[in-house]
Amino acid sequence: AQSVTQPDIHITVSEGASLELRCNYSYGATPYLFWYVQSPGQGLQLLLKYFSGDTLVQGIKGFEAEFKRSQSSFNLRKPSVHWSDAAEYFCAVGGENDYKLSFGAGTTVTVRA
Amino acid sequence: EAGVAQSPRYKIIEKRQSVAFWCNPISGHATLYWYQQILGQGPKLLIQFQNNGVVDDSQLPKDRFSAERLKGVDSTLKIQPAKLEDSAVYLCASTTWGSKYNEQFFGPGTRLTVL
Repeated sequence: AQSVTQPDIHITVSEGASLELRCNYSYGATPYLFWYVQSPGQGLQLLLKYFSGDTLVQGIKGFEAEFKRSQSSFNLRKPSVHWSDAAEYFCAVGGENDYKLSFGAGTTVTVRA
Repeated sequence: EAGVAQSPRYKIIEKRQSVAFWCNPISGHATLYWYQQILGQGPKLLIQFQNNGVVDDSQLPKDRFSAERLKGVDSTLKIQPAKLEDSAVYLCASTTWGSKYNEQFFGPGTRLTVL
């Protein structure tokens, strides 16, 4: 069975500070990993995805994530957050032949001035 | 390119009433998903269509939920009768079948409140 754990329910960070969101996954085969962002009242928007190759992937809005197979992790980072980054972030796992995504419970990010 | 469209955006009903949600996926996307997102949780897949056929409905509470995609384009999700625990955001997503990169594109969702 596939599953995703996001250990942090809520993170507060100062504007301009760095941000790291944790994601651990369980998947029986080669995982495809995704980070989505959801702003209030909006649908989910894809930030970045990992399928294979370079384990450090770059996404939109200055985000990056690193895949670590040995730790079953896919943590999301941003060097300097902006107030507009306040949102809910979801990590998801799927597979090459599996079109079903399993989502974590999400991490809410609050940005303080 | 137009995104995934959903309507209505908000719906408030009494328990035991029925409700229907509509989704129009991105043009050309053969695969369509319905997700339920309860407050404080991640989206949970309810049903997946490939064209007008059901691929996975293992998480759909079939005693009260139904969904169809008759012409393989837009889709309707229905709840009858609704329960309090059905209060959630219902998200529709679509993707191209056969793509190795199964990126799903999401609509804005329908927020259902059951009183």
